[in-house]
Amino acid sequence: EVQLVESGGGLVQPGGSLRLSCAASGFTFSSSWMHWVRQAPGKGLVWVSRINSDGSSTNYADSVKGRFTISRDNAKNTVYLQMDSLRAEDTAVYFCARSTSTSCFDWGQGTLVTVSS
Amino acid sequence: QSALTQPPSASGSPGQSVTISCTGTSSDVGGYNYVSWYQQHPGKAPKLMIYEVTKRPSGVPNRFSGSKSGNTASLTVSGLQAEDEADYYCSSYAGSIVIFGGGTKLTVL
Repeated sequence: EVQLVESGGGLVQPGGSLRLSCAASGFTFSSSWMHWVRQAPGKGLVWVSRINSDGSSTNYADSVKGRFTISRDNAKNTVYLQMDSLRAEDTAVYFCARSTSTSCFDWGQGTLVTVSS
Repeated sequence: QSALTQPPSASGSPGQSVTISCTGTSSDVGGYNYVSWYQQHPGKAPKLMIYEVTKRPSGVPNRFSGSKSGNTASLTVSGLQAEDEADYYCSSYAGSIVIFGGGTKLTVL
């Protein structure tokens, strides 16, 4: 059974940093693309970033480019999202997903990030 | 990177069919056969229902089907059931990035 468990969310001040983690199990992590998708309270899904299976290719939404960094450790079956220069509009539940390059097949339950002073 | 356009709401009675549209541009929906559809119940994680325009992951009922014409993709839910009431989101590959639609709330009357 595929399991994805996000962690690292919490309350952070504007301009601060946070690193999210997503621990994966139940599938061959080192063969899978991974995506991060966020959802602000009461709003829709917004794609954030993706990383290919060996970490050599990454892509970002314009809204986070230059502030967020996606990475992975295939030895630990974990994908990360380093979030810097956080803004109020980054407040959301962040989901990680086991994916192809274009579709998210399995999702974690999400971790809430709140950016507020 | 504008969001794909979906109607905010759709509805149908049990047993009926309903179709939800997802309109983009030639740079996303119209340019690639990489449209996906997700179902999300309140407080839950999204679930993939359709990928690559028409394909269903294992376990998804064949009541759910996808199609595309030009820059518009569609999700059809046939034989509506109460448990189909949820938010539905489309997404499309757009050349190194992925774009989601704004979501459609499907109500089963």
